[in-house]
Amino acid sequence: AQSVAQPEDQVNVAEGNPLTVKCTYSVSGNPYLFWYVQYPNRGLQFLLKYITGDNLVKGSYGFEAEFNKSQTSFHLKKPSALVSDSALYFCAVRDWDNNNDMRFGAGTRLTVKP
Amino acid sequence: ETGVTQTPRHLVMGMTNKKSLKCEQHLGHNAMYWYKQSAKKPLELMFVYSLEERVENNSVPSRFSPECPNSSHLFLHLHTLQPEDSALYLCASSQDRRTTYNEQFFGPGTRLTVL
Repeated sequence: AQSVAQPEDQVNVAEGNPLTVKCTYSVSGNPYLFWYVQYPNRGLQFLLKYITGDNLVKGSYGFEAEFNKSQTSFHLKKPSALVSDSALYFCAVRDWDNNNDMRFGAGTRLTVKP
Repeated sequence: ETGVTQTPRHLVMGMTNKKSLKCEQHLGHNAMYWYKQSAKKPLELMFVYSLEERVENNSVPSRFSPECPNSSHLFLHLHTLQPEDSALYLCASSQDRRTTYNEQFFGPGTRLTVL
């Protein structure tokens, strides 16, 4: 089965600094990768996805992610963090072995401090 | 908002109660999903409906019973739950389940507490 791993439970960043939320994947074929964000008391919101093409994918709210095939990574980045970016972030991958279901990581809690 | 609504937002129930969670999507999608979200764990896919037919049941106990009367509505009927079933239950929808590049759209969830 395909899977993703988010190695950090928690990431703390000062406002205005760049942020990175890490994700690595394991797939048997071409990876279709997604990032979602969950604000308090909300469901998951789609941020961006990599299907094919440019390795740098741009998404909502100024976020971007870099697909790195050699390192099997899809890290989420933002050049300048905002306090309002504080939320739970999930990486996900399509699971070719299981009906193309979406497989989610355990999530990384991002806290941006003023 | 994502176009997916869920009611109730919070539910407290005893182990002998029967209750139902409701989900409605206003996006014209033809696939709907139930997920269970527990703290510090990956989302667990419970059920998948495509074109109103249940296409997946990921070893979910029978005390959870889904229903999809049409492509816009999804229910999760709860009966004789256990305290370990306490979690956030998320509904999601997507267009064409088999189209692998489609993202899913999530509702705000129902926070369930089983006493």
